[in-house]
Amino acid sequence: SYVLTQPPSVSVAPGQTATITCGGNNIGTKSVHWHQRKPGQAPVVVVYDDTDRPSGIPERFSGSNSGNTATLTISKVEAGDEADYYCQVWDSSSDEVVFGGGTKVTVL
Amino acid sequence: QVQVVYSGTEVKKPGASVKVSCKASGYSFTNYFMHWVRQTPGRGLEWMGVINPSGDTTTYARRLQGRVTLTRDASTSTVFMELSRLTSDDTAVYYCARGWQPGRHDVFSIWGQGTLLTVSS
Repeated sequence: SYVLTQPPSVSVAPGQTATITCGGNNIGTKSVHWHQRKPGQAPVVVVYDDTDRPSGIPERFSGSNSGNTATLTISKVEAGDEADYYCQVWDSSSDEVVFGGGTKVTVL
Repeated sequence: QVQVVYSGTEVKKPGASVKVSCKASGYSFTNYFMHWVRQTPGRGLEWMGVINPSGDTTTYARRLQGRVTLTRDASTSTVFMELSRLTSDDTAVYYCARGWQPGRHDVFSIWGQGTLLTVSS
């Protein structure tokens, strides 16, 4: 089955840039979506289809996807961005949704 | 706007079954795929399965195959998730998640606060 690999944690100072990677075999050929989960809240999509941002999501959130790595970038990080972030794809070979293990973003 | 109402918190013993419901409103229920996702302590998000808009086909996560069943009642805009042969590993918050766009199954929005299931003897 398809595997997505994320770093368990990323720490970043306020105002700096957080970069969260999501590795997978030829992930660049798939559409990657990113879910943000804050404690006690339902997850929210912050980027879908590699680079698109839903309405209401700040421009500070951006995505890219190429080769074997997809990336979620959060620029000018704020304290409110502290959350777990999960990458997600649809694996058509197994007809399953696959999540990465999640990355905890800590704002120092 | 889209809203969902879940059935209440559940406490079950190992080996039992549970059926959780998610009643949706604010959109055309029959146009969207509906997924179920769970959040387990320490194990992140786990996809469980998806039911198509017409309700006649389902796809399940391989590791849950045989234990999970998704159904829907279009007349009440409600989807159901039944999980059998429960173990403590099934302790989690369970969410329904609507397809992002009509007819689209590969990405979804997770709605509401979910339903907490605790499995304990």
